[in-house]
Amino acid sequence: AQSVSQHNHHVILSEAASLELGCNYSYGGTVNLFWYVQYPGQHLQLLLKYFSGDPLVKGIKGFEAEFIKSKFSFNLRKPSVQWSDTAEYFCAPQSNDYKLSFGAGTTVTVRA
Amino acid sequence: DVKVTQSSRYLVKRTGEKVFLECVQDMDHENMFWYRQDPGLGLRLIYFSYDVKMKEKGDIPEGYSVSREKKERFSLILESASTNQTSMYLCASSKQGLDTEAFFGQGTRLTVV
Repeated sequence: AQSVSQHNHHVILSEAASLELGCNYSYGGTVNLFWYVQYPGQHLQLLLKYFSGDPLVKGIKGFEAEFIKSKFSFNLRKPSVQWSDTAEYFCAPQSNDYKLSFGAGTTVTVRA
Repeated sequence: DVKVTQSSRYLVKRTGEKVFLECVQDMDHENMFWYRQDPGLGLRLIYFSYDVKMKEKGDIPEGYSVSREKKERFSLILESASTNQTSMYLCASSKQGLDTEAFFGQGTRLTVV
């Protein structure tokens, strides 16, 4: 069965600090990978996705993620966070049967 | 503007009641999903559907069923509500294809008393 592991439950940072959120998945076949973000009081929305090609993908608001197939990882990064990046972040792999699973989420709190 | 609409924002039901949660999307999407979101557990997939009348079990289908009679509507049914089904329920839809974005509804916070 497919599973997703997000290593950090809660991360607290100061503005301008760098952010890296870990995500590992277990799935033997082809998988597409997504990061979604949920800002306080808002819907979940797409941050970025990897389907094929360049393993380093860029998303909205300066976020990027790197797919490392050998490590089954898809870590999210941002070089310099802002207060407005305070949110919950979810890693979500999708298997070939369209099943879209989510990790437990990482709450990021950015202090001004 | 894309839209996934869930019929209720808040719902309070009694233990043992049959509960229907409705979700409608206006984007002609093939895929639809039901999740429950609980603190510390993230989103857990209950059921999904990739076509009308098709349904697939997710990771936690026990105690739930679904219905997809029309493309735009995906219903989640709690046959006999229990207190451990108190949660936030999220519906999502996406186009056919494996690299397409899922769009989420605003959620239904269900409390079973």
